[in-house]
Amino acid sequence: SAVISQKPSRDICQRGTSLTIQCQVDSQVTMMFWYRQQPGQSLTLIATANQGSEATYESGFVIDKFPISRPNLTFSTLTVSNMSPEDSSIYLCSVDLGQGAADTQYFGPGTRLTVL
Amino acid sequence: AQSVTQPDIHITVSEGASLELRCNYSYGATPYLFWYVQSPGQGLQLLLKYFSGDTLVQGIKGFEAEFKRSQSSFNLRKPSVHWSDAAEYFCAVGAGQKLVFGQGTRLTINP
Repeated sequence: SAVISQKPSRDICQRGTSLTIQCQVDSQVTMMFWYRQQPGQSLTLIATANQGSEATYESGFVIDKFPISRPNLTFSTLTVSNMSPEDSSIYLCSVDLGQGAADTQYFGPGTRLTVL
Repeated sequence: AQSVTQPDIHITVSEGASLELRCNYSYGATPYLFWYVQSPGQGLQLLLKYFSGDTLVQGIKGFEAEFKRSQSSFNLRKPSVHWSDAAEYFCAVGAGQKLVFGQGTRLTINP
């Protein structure tokens, strides 16, 4: 497995502002993922972030709202832009260690965001 | 499209009792199947996974799951639950490099 950390662990923000969430992993990984977990809901994939290429966004998520950076093989950031109360969620990053043909994702502890 | 159904939103069992959490999937190819657990305020921890081979897979914390292709199911079991097992449990199917999650089952343990 891998040790994955996220910063901040939680935050309370005002509407209209932006928050950048960091994800750090203790080993080099090709694929990192960002998920959103709305209150009482399951996880929904926002985007896949590969180092050296643009992030690939899922349907319903756009780069202007959720810009992602992937500057190296151990780090990624997700920004939640122009926030509204509907963005209140837990945001989780995950990594695929690429062990064999079957992909297994390991998750960070999450960032709990509340937008007022 | 791939999908995962966890029919039980909330289950309550007594400590020491056996547990089975249901998971049904829809996927056109051979599925990669996972169970994750999320304790309150925590991220997701991988319990076990099925890729191929033996349809009964063992995981951490005494959990096991059985893959039944004919029923498109991957149910999670534990013979005797502990109070520390109270958490949210998510079943997921690997769709290429992505994971599609079920809605989750919240497990409550009665003392």
